[in-house]
Amino acid sequence: AQSVTQPDIHITVSEGASLELRCNYSYGATPYLFWYVQSPGQGLQLLLKYFSGDTLVQGIKGFEAEFKRSQSSFNLRKPSVHWSDAAEYFCAVARTGGSYIPTFGRGTSLIVHP
Amino acid sequence: DADVTQTPRNRITKTGKRIMLECSQTKGHDRMYWYRQDPGLGLRLIYYSFDVKDINKGEISDGYSVSRQAQAKFSLSLESAIPNQTALYFCATASPAYNEQFFGPGTRLTVL
Repeated sequence: AQSVTQPDIHITVSEGASLELRCNYSYGATPYLFWYVQSPGQGLQLLLKYFSGDTLVQGIKGFEAEFKRSQSSFNLRKPSVHWSDAAEYFCAVARTGGSYIPTFGRGTSLIVHP
Repeated sequence: DADVTQTPRNRITKTGKRIMLECSQTKGHDRMYWYRQDPGLGLRLIYYSFDVKDINKGEISDGYSVSRQAQAKFSLSLESAIPNQTALYFCATASPAYNEQFFGPGTRLTVL
């Protein structure tokens, strides 16, 4: 079975600073990988996804993520954080082929200081 | 209009009561899911359905049941609510290519 670890429960950054949120997965082959964002009081919105091909994936709102097979990681990055990026971020993994049942990490809460 | 809607958005109930949470979608997706979110635990899958005649348990189905009344409707029931079912509940659908989930706004349930 697949699993996801987000080692950071909270991350605090200053507005304008760069951001990296960590995600490690466990799966026997190359999985489908996702990052979702949850703003306060909202449902989850897809930021980006990786299925195959280029390991650097561009998403919405200026986010990108890099798939590193050797490290089983899919870290989310943004070069300059805006106050509106304050939210909960979830990494998710799904098996390739077969049933589409994503497994979510526990989430990282991003706090942005002015 | 929202593609995935959930009703009610907030509900406070008492221990032992039967509660139904409803989810409707206009995306035409076959696959629908129910998750619960607890602080620090992320999203955990309760039930999922691949079509009207297909219902499957997720990792935390005990104490819950579901009904897929139509392609567009997927309801979650708590037969006898207990306080540790207090949580935020999300419904989701999956795109035909199964490469993205679309989430509803959530239902905040409090069991006293």
